[in-house]
Amino acid sequence: NAGVTQTPKFRVLKTGQSMTLLCAQDMNHEYMYWYRQDPGMGLRLIHYSVGEGTTAKGEVPDGYNVSRLKKQNFLLGLESAAPSQTSVYFCAAKYRGNTEAFFGQGTRLTVV
Amino acid sequence: AQKVTQAQTEISVVEKEDVTLDCVYETRDTTYYLFWYKQPPSGELVFLIRRNSFDEQNEISGRYSWNFQKSTSSFNFTITASQVVDSAVYFCALTINGGATNKLIFGTGTLLAVQP
Repeated sequence: NAGVTQTPKFRVLKTGQSMTLLCAQDMNHEYMYWYRQDPGMGLRLIHYSVGEGTTAKGEVPDGYNVSRLKKQNFLLGLESAAPSQTSVYFCAAKYRGNTEAFFGQGTRLTVV
Repeated sequence: AQKVTQAQTEISVVEKEDVTLDCVYETRDTTYYLFWYKQPPSGELVFLIRRNSFDEQNEISGRYSWNFQKSTSSFNFTITASQVVDSAVYFCALTINGGATNKLIFGTGTLLAVQP
């Protein structure tokens, strides 16, 4: 979906390093989400935001922080990366209500 | 609590065969929405369909069809005359109307491999 862009697409980190994943959307979506995808586990919600300046924890929030200072951007931070955070991360954005979510292309993160 | 179960981890078919992907959901809410997403080998997630809990009509879109049955809490997806391009991971997902977050709850996905 051209409207949701994730940066970077790939990254390799050493244990203990920090990084920030950026999700940008240009469709004026209210809600934004960060998911991680692991083999056999589907997509699990890390954190989400229902509007600018508000964030909340999802199903697997430990080890991550998020910020949404601007409506169009949702940042996911790893303060001290661990091998267990090796995963594919997806950002999603949607309008208020039960509409479909639009996903970014994913970020493949490897922590060694 | 809400839950989505996709019991089929992997399915392999030969091109032109019909294939059905199963999805069973759990929720106590009376108003909810069900989704199917496709994840091709390139990795992106592609929206296929959304269904609300009050509409049990089956839907057909080309070779794709969906069967929603509230009595069995199922929302199954059938591909008719499968093609190699249908090879992907397919996810079923659920969201409830009363939740402020409208977050999607995903099943674990079914990997469909269509052999030529």
